[in-house]
Amino acid sequence: KAGVTQTPRYLIKTRGQQVTLSCSPISGHRSVSWYQQTPGQGLQFLFEYFSETQRNKGNFPGRFSGRQFSNSRSEMNVSTLELGDSALYLCASTDGGSRETQYFGPGTRLLVL
Amino acid sequence: DQQVKQNSPSLSVQEGRISILNCDYTNSMFDYFLWYKKYPAEGPTFLISISSIKDKNEDGRFTVFLNKSAKHLSLHIVPSQPGDSAVYFCAASGRETSGSRLTFGEGTQLTVNP
Repeated sequence: KAGVTQTPRYLIKTRGQQVTLSCSPISGHRSVSWYQQTPGQGLQFLFEYFSETQRNKGNFPGRFSGRQFSNSRSEMNVSTLELGDSALYLCASTDGGSRETQYFGPGTRLLVL
Repeated sequence: DQQVKQNSPSLSVQEGRISILNCDYTNSMFDYFLWYKKYPAEGPTFLISISSIKDKNEDGRFTVFLNKSAKHLSLHIVPSQPGDSAVYFCAASGRETSGSRLTFGEGTQLTVNP
């Protein structure tokens, strides 16, 4: 099976812009979770989508949003970008059970100038 | 509130020796624990997991030990190889949330010297 794919791999934006990142889960996986990795805060959970519904949400401001399509592909959007949003954004997929291993994609490196 | 902590930012070992990476947690609701390995500019790669009903799980060179009373887990790599050099994250999930939500430690940079 192909792994989790994320596009784009690299992105440069300026403050105030918005950005959309995409994630395609492993075939058959119905849950997609998003994480942000920064040097100062480590890996932090953003949100999880399962069957097109947000099932879990981390402690991030409303500028961070996401959605999931019927084919389980997911997008996350960050509006009004701030310098502190520069990070590696990772998505992970599972079949949807609560105690299943999450498999990660390669990430999207976002740089906000 | 750091619920999962890896107190050693780095660890250096000789090839062929044992690497022991440690992780502590504070949330008693955590009942499933995982270890991931990560190279720069790549996503984390799953290594091994353990459920709270067990105290040990082995997979090849990797063994994870869980001490629930101490809220402590460790990853043993035997024998260590230069290709094991990477950042290792422990992660936990708990009964209080449905679905998938991992809480990660800060990571430990393992360097295996030839």
